[in-house]
Amino acid sequence: GAGVSQSPSNKVTEKGKDVELRCDPISGHTALYWYRQSLGQGLEFLIYFQGNSAPDKSGLPSDRFSAERTGGSVSTLTIQRTQQEDSAVYLCASSLVVTVNTEAFFGQGTRLTVV
Amino acid sequence: KNEVEQSPQNLTAQEGEFITINCSYSVGISALHWLQQHPGGGIVSLFMLSSGKKKHGRLIATINIQEKHSSLHITASHPRDSAVYICAGLGNTGNQFYFGTGTSLTVIP
Repeated sequence: GAGVSQSPSNKVTEKGKDVELRCDPISGHTALYWYRQSLGQGLEFLIYFQGNSAPDKSGLPSDRFSAERTGGSVSTLTIQRTQQEDSAVYLCASSLVVTVNTEAFFGQGTRLTVV
Repeated sequence: KNEVEQSPQNLTAQEGEFITINCSYSVGISALHWLQQHPGGGIVSLFMLSSGKKKHGRLIATINIQEKHSSLHITASHPRDSAVYICAGLGNTGNQFYFGTGTSLTVIP
């Protein structure tokens, strides 16, 4: 497909386990964003990648969260030692090189449930 | 205080009504997105604008950069327009979107 693809679409994990979420951006998009949306809450920025530059990690909620982007394309968001408060829908978006006319496209999200 | 504020938070309208959702922001942005999120669904980008006005079908978005305000209008509303509408400002440095808290719209037949 031509859109942003995220996997898995749903993930149920036990508290304390590590999880890895994947985002395949639109081909050619150099900017990639991770967000999350907890139940009944607004969208919360997590991390941003632009090309090969060091990512902006300012939004990561704790040091249990990390993300990488290999080859400037696919990105993985890893949550270590998951906690129940990590339960949320994790969304990924990508866009071309950021300009005034940048359009961002969102994936369908990964629904993470920590039990 | 949120960098991006939306109003109203909840809106119920009769089919056919003209709807306006407002977005005000306090941070410097280079562009503003209007997004639509259906229950259980993903997010769809409706508009991206940095000045003036854009129209797509029954949807119209306007932005006033000086007043740091944008509006989304829906003409001849329909039940299928029921969704959460979110405005998001792209920061001047381009490294994140600042999201509003969303407006939940319900259009009653």
